[in-house]
Amino acid sequence: AQSVTQLGSHVSVSEGALVLLRCNYSSSVPPYLFWYVQYPNQGLQLLLKYTTGATLVKGINGFEAEFKKSETSFHLTKPSAHMSDAAEYFCAVSEWVQGAQKLVFGQGTRLTINP
Amino acid sequence: DTEVTQTPKHLVMGMTNKKSLKCEQHMGHRAMYWYKQKAKKPPELMFVYSYEKLSINESVPSRFSPECPNSSLLNLHLHALQPEDSALYLCASSQESRRNSPLHFGNGTRLTVT
Repeated sequence: AQSVTQLGSHVSVSEGALVLLRCNYSSSVPPYLFWYVQYPNQGLQLLLKYTTGATLVKGINGFEAEFKKSETSFHLTKPSAHMSDAAEYFCAVSEWVQGAQKLVFGQGTRLTINP
Repeated sequence: DTEVTQTPKHLVMGMTNKKSLKCEQHMGHRAMYWYKQKAKKPPELMFVYSYEKLSINESVPSRFSPECPNSSLLNLHLHALQPEDSALYLCASSQESRRNSPLHFGNGTRLTVT
């Protein structure tokens, strides 16, 4: 089975500072990886995905992530944090089970932005 | 705005009630999913439908009964639930049930079982 581990259940940064949210994966096949964001009382919104090709993936809201096979990592970054970035962030890996896709999520990282 | 619509937004039900959660998408997606999310936890997969056929049931108790009447609609029928079933229930869809097909989520139904 594939899995992802998010290091740090809570990350706090100042407005304008670099955001770095860590995700490591475990997969016996080439992984398909996703980052989602969840604002309070809402569903999950796709930030970006890595399937094949370019290892640096750009997403919405200024976020990007780099797939590093040697480190089994897919960390999410944003150069300058904004107050509106405060939310829960989930890293996920896609599995193929019983002929269908199963998205397996990490435990999540709550991002707090300090003014 | 989300392209996956879930109703109702909130639901309170007693343990003897029967209710249904509804989910609708008009993106032409052929795979639909039910996830359950407890507070401060990640979503957990319950069911996957692909081309209107049930593909995955993650050993969900029979008091939860999914239904996919057509490719745009997904229902979750609830009966004799327990207080521990209180959670946010998320519906999602993807173009197809392939590993590289991202899921689009609705805003969920917050269920409270009393």
